[in-house]
Amino acid sequence: SQQGEEDPQALSIQEGENATMNCSYKTSINNLQWYRQNSGRGLVHLILIRSNEREKHSGRLRVTLDTSKKSSSLLITASRAADTASYFCATVRGSARQLTFGSGTQLTVLP
Amino acid sequence: EPEVTQTPSHQVTQMGQEVILRCVPISNHLYFYWYRQILGQKVEFLVSFYNNEISEKSEIFDDQFSVERPDGSNFTLKIRSTKLEDSAMYFCASNWGGRSYEQYFGPGTRLTVT
Repeated sequence: SQQGEEDPQALSIQEGENATMNCSYKTSINNLQWYRQNSGRGLVHLILIRSNEREKHSGRLRVTLDTSKKSSSLLITASRAADTASYFCATVRGSARQLTFGSGTQLTVLP
Repeated sequence: EPEVTQTPSHQVTQMGQEVILRCVPISNHLYFYWYRQILGQKVEFLVSFYNNEISEKSEIFDDQFSVERPDGSNFTLKIRSTKLEDSAMYFCASNWGGRSYEQYFGPGTRLTVT
């Protein structure tokens, strides 16, 4: 089964608006992480939320986790054109450390 | 700020040839990983490496693949006999270990098999 499916697949907003991306997963997790990928580049870690946490903030980022629904959301507030990128959620299961990525949301922020 | 580096940035090879992709993880990290991303698809885990041995591997990581940490700094992925379907971006990542789960990714190597 696939782990970490994001929606929407693509999101286009105006600069200054908020962007919300959702992620669903199927198995129990140790933690869930969000990564950003600019076109043709490597992934950059944004934020990690542990399975016993419900919400976490980092700058303009807010992530929530609902383990009963096996879902997470990433909110980027006051978006900027530079936030244009693909955003992926990734889960870590149990004692294993490898990341299982979702399919990603392509965010476009229009100036 | 320390970063993961990868070479080459782009490798073109013919089907059946061997390729070695190179990575230099962050120096005090203990866990090393290879992932791949076929164009337009998800990032997929290939293998993790800890304490000089493979700790986990995916179904993709078959006998055609191998990893090595030949010295204290380099971490390599070898594909013995490349296939067309091996064309992808290959990302190396490293992680400090312990209670830290954040992974630091390199910029990737684009492998094109013709």
